[in-house]
Amino acid sequence: NAGVTQTPKFQVLKTGQSMTLQCAQDMNHNSMYWYRQDPGMGLRLIYYSASEGTTDKGEVPNGYNVSRLNKREFSLRLESAAPSQTSVYFCASSADYSNQPQHFGDGTRLSIL
Amino acid sequence: RKEVEQDPGPFNVPEGATVAFNCTYSNSASQSFFWYRQDCRKEPKLLMSVYSSGNEDGRFTAQLNRASQYISLLIRDSKLSDSATYLCVVNVIQGAQKLVFGQGTRLTINP
Repeated sequence: NAGVTQTPKFQVLKTGQSMTLQCAQDMNHNSMYWYRQDPGMGLRLIYYSASEGTTDKGEVPNGYNVSRLNKREFSLRLESAAPSQTSVYFCASSADYSNQPQHFGDGTRLSIL
Repeated sequence: RKEVEQDPGPFNVPEGATVAFNCTYSNSASQSFFWYRQDCRKEPKLLMSVYSSGNEDGRFTAQLNRASQYISLLIRDSKLSDSATYLCVVNVIQGAQKLVFGQGTRLTINP
């Protein structure tokens, strides 16, 4: 009963390094999302993929890129990490984009030094 | 006006008390509503959907007031384990539809 799986769970990077956060869901959902959450703050949408083959910017896309590799997988890439990107990153999926509840992975805690 | 607004709290209530909080939304065409809970440093988890007629799940009751554009969550006989942040989620319809998360209401149940 995996649901949404994120890897890695923790990561420390140096400024300027790149990395890719991985997300996979096994619920046959059409839509997938990447959020970040900073301490004491709400969720902010980075990018989303309403359906396989499409990706769109969310509220805070700068400094990130995404790839919807197939229906199951949606990755988030930081090309040149900055300390401002230190955050907890959540991946989520839903049956459709407009009105079905989203199911979250347990997050990736990323620190940029 | 924000698309979805919640009182951030914190709400501090004694164990066993009843607590309620609201979430207002700005888009009168919204059709889908949800409550999530988020424990500290954990992922948000779906608590319940909110139906037009109101719905109950154990100690939790969710209601929708379309006229005043808010949803509410009532927790009866609160437990220490109910301490969490509660997020409301509303689908916003502006041409396309999307789900929008509120900032959350922090609830602490005190022994």
